[in-house]
Amino acid sequence: ILNVEQSPQSLHVQEGDSTNFTCSFPSSNFYALHWYRWETAKSPEALFVMTLNGDEKKKGRISATLNTKEGYSYLYIKGSQPEDSATYLCASQEGNKLVFGAGTILRVKS
Amino acid sequence: GAGVSQSPSNKVTEKGKDVELRCDPISGHTALYWYRQSLGQGLEFLIYFQGNSAPDKSGLPSDRFSAERTGGSVSTLTIQRTQQEDSAVYLCASSPYNQPQHFGDGTRLSIL
Repeated sequence: ILNVEQSPQSLHVQEGDSTNFTCSFPSSNFYALHWYRWETAKSPEALFVMTLNGDEKKKGRISATLNTKEGYSYLYIKGSQPEDSATYLCASQEGNKLVFGAGTILRVKS
Repeated sequence: GAGVSQSPSNKVTEKGKDVELRCDPISGHTALYWYRQSLGQGLEFLIYFQGNSAPDKSGLPSDRFSAERTGGSVSTLTIQRTQQEDSAVYLCASSPYNQPQHFGDGTRLSIL
């Protein structure tokens, strides 16, 4: 059974601040690491799927890195905006299913 | 195009009653997943359907939970004799085989 951990549990930042979160996962039998963004009252939205050690992906102001050898991924948000407020979930893919962390709740104040 | 549709969006029921939650996946997606998120917890895998293969039921928490997928499309998650600990948001997702999952808006289930 995989154990995916995310930190911090929650984060409050000012508009314009840059921030980052951590996702750690067991590195053995790694297949893929997924990041999702989940806004209140909406469905989770896929941000990135990362498979290769050293992978870096970017989508607008959001980027992510992956280290499969040590079992962690970072998600970065540059110049946070109030609309970035959401829960950010990471999930490690085990076979056909995703094992999710508990998420990081981000609140951006204007 | 239409996304994953779940119904009802909210369900309140008494302890001991049976409930059925419905998921309409994106047309053409062969994979369908059920997850739930209990208060303060992460998303928990429940069951996975892929085409005509036998479903992966390894995440179902007890034999009160069952799911079926008819005709490779619509899926129903059934919880029998509901308990208060079944209160959660139940999410359905679908995807083409081995592709990122698209989630529905979920069903918020409250057991009184």
